[in-house]
Amino acid sequence: QSVLTQPPSVSGAPGQRVTISCTGSSSNIGAGFDIHWYQQFPGKAPRLLIHHNTKRPSGVSDRFSGSKSGTSASLDITGLQIEDEADYYCQSYDSDLSGSVFGTGTRVTV
Amino acid sequence: QALLQESGPGLVKPSQTLSLTCTVSGSSVASGGYFWAWIRQHPGEGLEWIGYIYYSGTTYYNSSLNRRLTISKDTSKNQFSLELTSVTAADTAVYYCARVRGYTGYDEFDSWGQGILVTVSS
Repeated sequence: QSVLTQPPSVSGAPGQRVTISCTGSSSNIGAGFDIHWYQQFPGKAPRLLIHHNTKRPSGVSDRFSGSKSGTSASLDITGLQIEDEADYYCQSYDSDLSGSVFGTGTRVTV
Repeated sequence: QALLQESGPGLVKPSQTLSLTCTVSGSSVASGGYFWAWIRQHPGEGLEWIGYIYYSGTTYYNSSLNRRLTISKDTSKNQFSLELTSVTAADTAVYYCARVRGYTGYDEFDSWGQGILVTVSS
């Protein structure tokens, strides 16, 4: 029931920059609801990475940044490091579904 | 941040009821400004929002689970719970409890439990 679409995987060399897209619709991102991003390592709980489109919680590296435009959002990871290998999920609210929705998830390989 | 911990049986028989509890510390399920949520993740798949409960007791459920789902809270124990009836193998998943900041339910899940694997099998 994922209404937010992400690429299944992205990859990059150490030090490079990768971008993960999150495409929604007029009932979620396009309606003005904020996007939040999570990082998840295998066997672990997700961790909040970016909230309200661009804000980093305390302790999150400034190599992670978010943006939003129209019905889409993006997560940028600069200076890619081995420890960034994980799954990344976007999340928003959908007015048609009246609840939170997650993206399909993206596996980042370094 | 809050600390959340899921507890409950790891194995449930088909057609029975899945019951999980989330114990919260560092935050109160009786205080405004937060929703208390359940999210699940099927093996090898993405995250699925199940539902949440506000401090007032108002609940919001994923429509695909609505008829089988109850989320409640016990403020005396600072816990909230999930009950999912008539389970099938399709309900096998890791179940997470989490906290949502804000007054609308539109915001981020800022604290998560470690997750509990629930397998539905006879």
